[in-house]
Order: sequence, then structure tokens, then C-alpha cells
Amino acid sequence: QVHLVESGGGVVQPGRSLRLSCAASGFTFSRYAMHWVRQAPGMGLEWVAVISYDGSNKYSADSAQGRLTISRDNSKNTLYLEMNSLRVEDTAVYYCARETGWKAGLYYYVMDVWGQGTTVTVTS
Amino acid sequence: AIQLTQSPSSLSASVGDRVTITCRASQDINSALAWYQQKPGKAPKLLIYDASSLDSGVPSRFSGRGSGTDFTLTLSSLQPEDFATYYCQQVNTYPLTFGGGTKVEIK
Repeated sequence: QVHLVESGGGVVQPGRSLRLSCAASGFTFSRYAMHWVRQAPGMGLEWVAVISYDGSNKYSADSAQGRLTISRDNSKNTLYLEMNSLRVEDTAVYYCARETGWKAGLYYYVMDVWGQGTTVTVTS
Repeated sequence: AIQLTQSPSSLSASVGDRVTITCRASQDINSALAWYQQKPGKAPKLLIYDASSLDSGVPSRFSGRGSGTDFTLTLSSLQPEDFATYYCQQVNTYPLTFGGGTKVEIK
């Protein structure tokens, strides 16, 4: 059964750091690009970052660049989000999601499997 | 960044109603659009990709249309389990972006 489980969220003061993890199971993790998406309380979805299947390519939202860094360890089937210099506006539920990838000969950049999310609260 | 404008932002409907949600992109995104459903406290669920392709297991009452800048999601006959918030997402260009969401409520 395909499964993504996020962890590492919590309450943190502005300016501090946090590392989120996303453990994957039920599929060959090393074959898929992976994303982080966040949702502030009562707000819509915001894409954060993506990393290619082998970690060689990364893209991130402007709001994330320089502070939120995506990485992965395929030997551990785990995706990470390193969060530095946290701001109050980073408060959100953070979801990891799998990119669909190759399907019937075409590549799709949509997200077909999501974790349940982990909550990050930045407050003084 | 490509902006996606969803309308309406919310709507009230009854079970059995036909509902259509619109998503407009600020520039041409071909058919690189997805629709997600999200229920309170839950992760989003992929409904439609490539503007009109139904993801596996999604009921046929959901359908998507459009290309370029104008897209629609239609629920042909609203069911109790369809009351949720729906988001469009463009996957044509980084940064990926989502629409603001449409909350479908019970009338």
C-alpha cells in the first residue's frame, strides 16, 4: 500500500530551524520526484518545492528560496525539508506528495499520493 | 508566476445538482492543469490531471475540460461526499501554483 508519513513538525520561535521528514513506503521511492506543499491555517494550498527522483534537480517557490531546502535520501526512502530562519508566515500544515511521473508513455507533473501532513507553528 | 483564478470562491448546492467550477490561468498552460478535492483536516486528493483525465478510482460524475487559459471542473450530480473544497493547479511552469479554492457547501 502506497504511503507517505510526515514528521518533525512542532512549535518553534521565529528565526529558529526545523527539519521535516517524509517517510515513503509501498512504492519504489527512488523512481519518483517528490514535492512539499503547505497550507496556512484557513488558507489555500501553496506549492513549496520539488526534487527530482535522484536529487539532481530542485525547484522552489520564491517564498522558500534561501530558507526552505528540499532534499532526499533514497537509501532511507525519505524526503526532507530543512527550514531555516523561520518566520511567523511559515506557520502551516506541510504535506509531502509524490509526483505521478510516467503514465501510459507520458510524463505528468501532478501529485497523486499525499501524506497526512505535519503542523509547523512559528510563534514567539 | 502563473496566477490561477478560481470562481466562484464558494457555492451552495443540493444533492443531485450539477456544479461547475471555473479556473482561469494568467497565461497559456496548454492542458497542464489538475484538480484536487480537499475535505476538512485531510490531505488533498487528485481528481483530474491533464485538464480532463480522471485519476484512478475517481467517480465518473467528475469531469474536466479546457485548454490554454480556461478550464472547468464539473460535478454532474452532487453527492453528499462531494461537499469539500476544490483546487486547480497548473503544472506547466515552475513555480507550480494553485488556485484559491472553491468551497462547495450544502444548501
